[in-house]
Amino acid sequence: GAVVSQHPSWVICKSGTSVKIECRSLDFQATTMFWYRQFPKQSLMLMATSNEGSKATYEQGVEKDKFLINHASLTLSTLTVTSAHPEDSSFYICSASWGGAYNEQFFGPGTRLTVL
Amino acid sequence: AQKVTQAQTEISVVEKEDVTLDCVYETRDTTYYLFWYKQPPSGELVFLIRRNSFDEQNEISGRYSWNFQKSTSSFNFTITASQVVDSAVYFCALSEAKTSYDKVIFGPGTSLSVIP
Repeated sequence: GAVVSQHPSWVICKSGTSVKIECRSLDFQATTMFWYRQFPKQSLMLMATSNEGSKATYEQGVEKDKFLINHASLTLSTLTVTSAHPEDSSFYICSASWGGAYNEQFFGPGTRLTVL
Repeated sequence: AQKVTQAQTEISVVEKEDVTLDCVYETRDTTYYLFWYKQPPSGELVFLIRRNSFDEQNEISGRYSWNFQKSTSSFNFTITASQVVDSAVYFCALSEAKTSYDKVIFGPGTSLSVIP
C-alpha cells in the first residue's frame, strides 16, 4: 500500500515551453502533497506544500508564478514549470500524506526534467 | 531553526565491511521525528526508518541498525556486512512538531559505494 506515482518519469523540453508533472496517490487519499527539487549530487529541497482544494504554500525563494501547483483532488497534484529554462533542469520528486497526528510522507519515483 | 548535518559526503567500503553513516541534527523543539532514506541510482527514495524524539531505543532491522542519542543530537546508521546493493545515497531527515510534521528537512546526504 501507500504507492505514489509520477508522470512522466522523464521529460526533455525546449527553453520557453511549459511542462506539467503529475503526482498521484494510487491507493490512498492524500490530503497533503509535497513537491521537492533535487539538483545533481544535492539534497532534496522542499518547494511547496499543497492541500487538496486550497492554494499551495511555497517555500521561501520558490517562485509561485513559475512553479504552478494544483491539488484538485485527493489523489492528484500537478506541478507545472512555466516558461522552463535550462536552470530549471532538475529531478522533481513529489510525496503524499494522508494526514493524522503524524503525516508520514510517501514518495513518488521522481521526474527528471531536462530543458534544452 | 532546523538543521541536519551529514558530515560524510562520500564513503567507500569493501564488501562485507561494516559502515556507519553519521547524522547530527539541530532543533529547538522537544518533539520531533528523525528519518533515514535510501536513494539508489534509480532516484526513487526508499524509506528506512522513522524515530520519534521520545524513543531513544536503538533499533536493528536485519543488517541495518540505528543509534539515537539525544544527548549528542545524533542519529547514526550502521550497515553490517555491507553489500554492493547497499551502494546509494543515504539521507537523514528531521521534522518538528511545530510544523505539524509536514516539513521534512533533509540532510545533504552521504554517498556510499560498496566495492566488490
